[in-house]
Amino acid sequence: QVQLQESGPGLVKPSQTLSLTCNVSGTSTYFGSYYWSWVRQPAGKGLEWIGRVYTTGTTHYNPSLKSRVTISVDTSKNQFSLSLNSVTAADTAVYYCARDDRVGLDYWGQGILVTVSS
Amino acid sequence: DIQMTQSPSSLSASVGDRVTITCRASEGIRNDLGWYQQKPGQAPKRLIYAASNLQSGVPSRFSGSGSGTEFTLTISSLRPEDFATYYCLHHNPYFLTFGGGTKVEIK
Repeated sequence: QVQLQESGPGLVKPSQTLSLTCNVSGTSTYFGSYYWSWVRQPAGKGLEWIGRVYTTGTTHYNPSLKSRVTISVDTSKNQFSLSLNSVTAADTAVYYCARDDRVGLDYWGQGILVTVSS
Repeated sequence: DIQMTQSPSSLSASVGDRVTITCRASEGIRNDLGWYQQKPGQAPKRLIYAASNLQSGVPSRFSGSGSGTEFTLTISSLRPEDFATYYCLHHNPYFLTFGGGTKVEIK
């Protein structure tokens, strides 16, 4: 069973950088065979795809966030990370990491609430 | 950018009802679409991939159909545990796009 777990600060100040890490574990993970995505969801609202990274380092980003987002991968640790800079209150959301099997997102983390507030 | 429009945004139904949710793409996307169920406080769960393929472990009362620009998710006989929010998700080699969601509530 593949497991994903998000970690990082739950509170970030406005204008600062939000940084999260997703740790991937479990048998048959085949970390190198998948894209790895970040998705977020503001309270009471829908899902928004942020971007994804392949194990080669290739990235794809949501155009609406592209100027502020960096997603990176550390294959030696089976981890990938999200960095979102210049955050505002509009970036307050539950952030999910997920595995992308090229036909969608098949495994998800439980999500982590990140609040942007001074 | 491809836009995914889901309808309705919410619906009320009773246990045993047949429920259909629609997702329309702003341009043709072949069958590059999946359906997800999300319950409060939980991560989304994939139900259908490639428009009509049932994810392993998902009950057969869920089915998906469509290709091109119009897709449907059908629940043949609604059960209490099916009250949730459903999302479609388009994927292509460069980006993913969610629909706005459909909340299925108890009538």
